[in-house]
Amino acid sequence: RKEVEQDPGPFNVPEGATVAFNCTYSNSASQSFFWYRQDCRKEPKLLMSVYSSGNEDGRFTAQLNRASQYISLLIRDSKLSDSATYLCVVRNNAGNMLTFGGGTRLMVKP
Amino acid sequence: GAGVSQSPSNKVTEKGKDVELRCDPISGHTALYWYRQSLGQGLEFLIYFQGNSAPDKSGLPSDRFSAERTGGSVSTLTIQRTQQEDSAVYLCASSLNGAGAVAKNIQYFGAGTRLSVL
Repeated sequence: RKEVEQDPGPFNVPEGATVAFNCTYSNSASQSFFWYRQDCRKEPKLLMSVYSSGNEDGRFTAQLNRASQYISLLIRDSKLSDSATYLCVVRNNAGNMLTFGGGTRLMVKP
Repeated sequence: GAGVSQSPSNKVTEKGKDVELRCDPISGHTALYWYRQSLGQGLEFLIYFQGNSAPDKSGLPSDRFSAERTGGSVSTLTIQRTQQEDSAVYLCASSLNGAGAVAKNIQYFGAGTRLSVL
């Protein structure tokens, strides 16, 4: 079993739709969680950190369920520019290593 | 300020040759990471430096891979006797610190070196 698992997609949605991605992790001692975004042939960039209480940044909402060991990302009112691969990232309890999921590809269509 | 800088951006080499990839982290960042991303795949952790030391080399795929960091800044990743399966994008990231508060270990990535082994 992979340490961090994501549905690779692609998720094809129309503009304005709401879309949600889930990610599961296997190490119950994991400390911190992030969503990164990676555009085609570009480097990953931090989208948002994921806090235990859940957090929101504009159209993006991230949630963490430690009991079930999953993280979610909700995107409301999808834009064409949201088309990218979304990487779920988990930091180990030693704090020095990030483990990346394989990514979920989102394609927003006009 | 300047971000993580990697060079070269593209490298084409022949099987069996050695290659050296360079990463210049964000100034003041003490932690530096190397990852590999094959086409259509997720990121594979290779090695992590805290300062000049590498407490975690667990991800290096073989003894043909080595990395060093001097002066707590620039790092080089060396691949000896390259093989076709080494073809990938090699990404470097840096963070303010390798542990502690979440904000201090957010990793910022360079644009990568695209390595093609013919």
